[in-house]
Amino acid sequence: QKEVEQDPGPLSVPEGAIVSLNCTYSNSAFQYFMWYRQYSRKGPELLMYTYSSGNKEDGRFTAQVDKSSKYISLFIRDSQPSDSATYLCAMSANTNAGKSTFGDGTTLTVKP
Amino acid sequence: EAGVVQSPRYKIIEKKQPVAFWCNPISGHNTLYWYLQNLGQGPELLIRYENEEAVDDSQLPKDRFSAERLKGVDSTLKIQPAELGDSAVYLCASSFGLAGGDEQFFGPGTRLTVL
Repeated sequence: QKEVEQDPGPLSVPEGAIVSLNCTYSNSAFQYFMWYRQYSRKGPELLMYTYSSGNKEDGRFTAQVDKSSKYISLFIRDSQPSDSATYLCAMSANTNAGKSTFGDGTTLTVKP
Repeated sequence: EAGVVQSPRYKIIEKKQPVAFWCNPISGHNTLYWYLQNLGQGPELLIRYENEEAVDDSQLPKDRFSAERLKGVDSTLKIQPAELGDSAVYLCASSFGLAGGDEQFFGPGTRLTVL
């Protein structure tokens, strides 16, 4: 079993919908939680970053971390066609600083 | 500010041939990473450098893969000989330091096809 499991998708939604992307993990040492967005034939780019538990909001994006359940989510409000991409969750621990473990990604398509 | 530069972007070789990938990180970034990304999967770390030193190469298949980061800036990843299963995207990333939350900036990757 992988340390990080991500809902596989693919996900297809109409423009304006609320999107929920989710990951679970097994390593309780993870303290940093990231969401990356990867467009086709591009490298991942950091979208959201959260330390420990809680919520973080940035525009239309909200990241949630529930360490007690080992569950993280990314919500996208008012989704746009430009949000169509693969979303990767990633996590790292203080004890192995700099080493991020990635999920396998969820491919999202937002239809106009 | 220039991002992480990788070359070549695409490479097609026959099995058993050698291949090399080059990465130029963002200026001032001390930490450099090489990842392998298979289709439909997330990036998997191959090796991490802190300046010139490889601080984590536990996932690098050392029988055929090698890497170097001379002068703590550019880096080269080599495969010799390549196998069919090496077909993947090789991503280079850099960050300012090794702290757990340091943002990693990724290059566009080199897409390798082994025939």
